[in-house]
Amino acid sequence: SFELTQPPSVSVSPGQTARITCSGDALPKQFGNWYQQKPGQAPVLMIYKDSERPSGIPERFSGSSSGTTVTLTISGVQAEDEADYYCQSADSSGTVVFGGGTKVTVL
Amino acid sequence: QVQLVQSGAEMKKPGSSVKVSCRASGDTFRSYGIIWVRQAPGQGLEWLGGIIPTFDTRKYEQKFQGRVTITADESTSTANMELSSLRSEDTAVYYCARVHLEWLYVDHWGQGTQVIVSS
Repeated sequence: SFELTQPPSVSVSPGQTARITCSGDALPKQFGNWYQQKPGQAPVLMIYKDSERPSGIPERFSGSSSGTTVTLTISGVQAEDEADYYCQSADSSGTVVFGGGTKVTVL
Repeated sequence: QVQLVQSGAEMKKPGSSVKVSCRASGDTFRSYGIIWVRQAPGQGLEWLGGIIPTFDTRKYEQKFQGRVTITADESTSTANMELSSLRSEDTAVYYCARVHLEWLYVDHWGQGTQVIVSS
């Protein structure tokens, strides 16, 4: 199986932009997906197929991909965006992998 | 509205087994896969395996091979995950989740089931 690597933490001031990266050798061939998880809650899909946003997800959340890295960008961060964020991908055999998670702190 | 409703919390002894169920609504079993993911206290998300109910095909994370069994009953739209030879490190919240078959992203999650392994 493959691995996905995320930074453990990102800190950002309200109104600023947060960028969370996720790196993995398989990412040039496989899509990356992003989930937000708040304490005591199940994860929520924020971005799928690198850059698609599900309905109901605020426009300030966006995704991009370049080479072996996918990036989740939160523009105009709000206090409610403080959470853990996980990237996820899968290989062609159906093996699912999650990144280690990034804790976003809004200062 | 898609719902995945999981069974209740479990407390188990080391060496025993636990079975967690997940009842799905809508067309989940006809058009999607179900995966199981766990989260130990203070830790990240960990994939255990998954199943495509309409084809009854399964895939397990190598780490759990031989200890985990995932099944699906189409007649009741219920998926089950059984983990055997439990140890304290298996203490976690276990989630079932609906996965898009073509792009393998999760669009809906169950509410989670707390499993505590303790003597």
